[in-house]
Amino acid sequence: DQQVKQNSPSLSVQEGRISILNCDYTNSMFDYFLWYKKYPAEGPTFLISISSIKDKNEDGRFTVFLNKSAKHLSLHIVPSQPGDSAVYFCAASAKNFNKFYFGSGTKLNVKP
Amino acid sequence: DAGVIQSPRHEVTEMGQEVTLRCKPISGHDYLFWYRQTMMRGLELLIYFNNNVPIDDSGMPEDRFSAKMPNASFSTLKIQPSEPRDSAVYFCASSPSPGLGLTDTQYFGPGTRLTVL
Repeated sequence: DQQVKQNSPSLSVQEGRISILNCDYTNSMFDYFLWYKKYPAEGPTFLISISSIKDKNEDGRFTVFLNKSAKHLSLHIVPSQPGDSAVYFCAASAKNFNKFYFGSGTKLNVKP
Repeated sequence: DAGVIQSPRHEVTEMGQEVTLRCKPISGHDYLFWYRQTMMRGLELLIYFNNNVPIDDSGMPEDRFSAKMPNASFSTLKIQPSEPRDSAVYFCASSPSPGLGLTDTQYFGPGTRLTVL
């Protein structure tokens, strides 16, 4: 049973617009969340994280929002660029888990 | 640092054969993780080591899978015998800690694409 779910396998957005990638989780003990970005033929690379004491974390064009009551997080990319085209994975963990649970990924395509 | 190194990058084998995937973590990282990526299940954690000791192998799908870390700079994931459903991309990742802090994270290798015919 997947504890972290990304229900949209793909998303297509026009360059310059906002990309919103969603992630849901089931385990209320999760208190730390990350987004990874993966290009073809490469391993995932860390993008941005958020802990449960916050509901928002920004890093340049990337913002992650956390809604603990809904067990939902989202990644906003504004403005989207063609170089953002990749697969995005969300992951969740808790301090005493020592491991991450990953979603199945969302493939983002930003069209020029 | 060269990052996490995995070999081979691609492996094609026939059902029943033994497959060995290799990983060299980033020097100084105490944690090593093996993941499998499939279309259906995304990234699944198979096993992870801390200071060369296996800590959690609950994700290893069957007894056909085994992993070792004989020293801090080398780990192997072995499948014997391999089956077509093992076809996937296998990633190795390392981290100075579990990656639960706000500043540290897991660093992934480029992956090994395994095809079992």
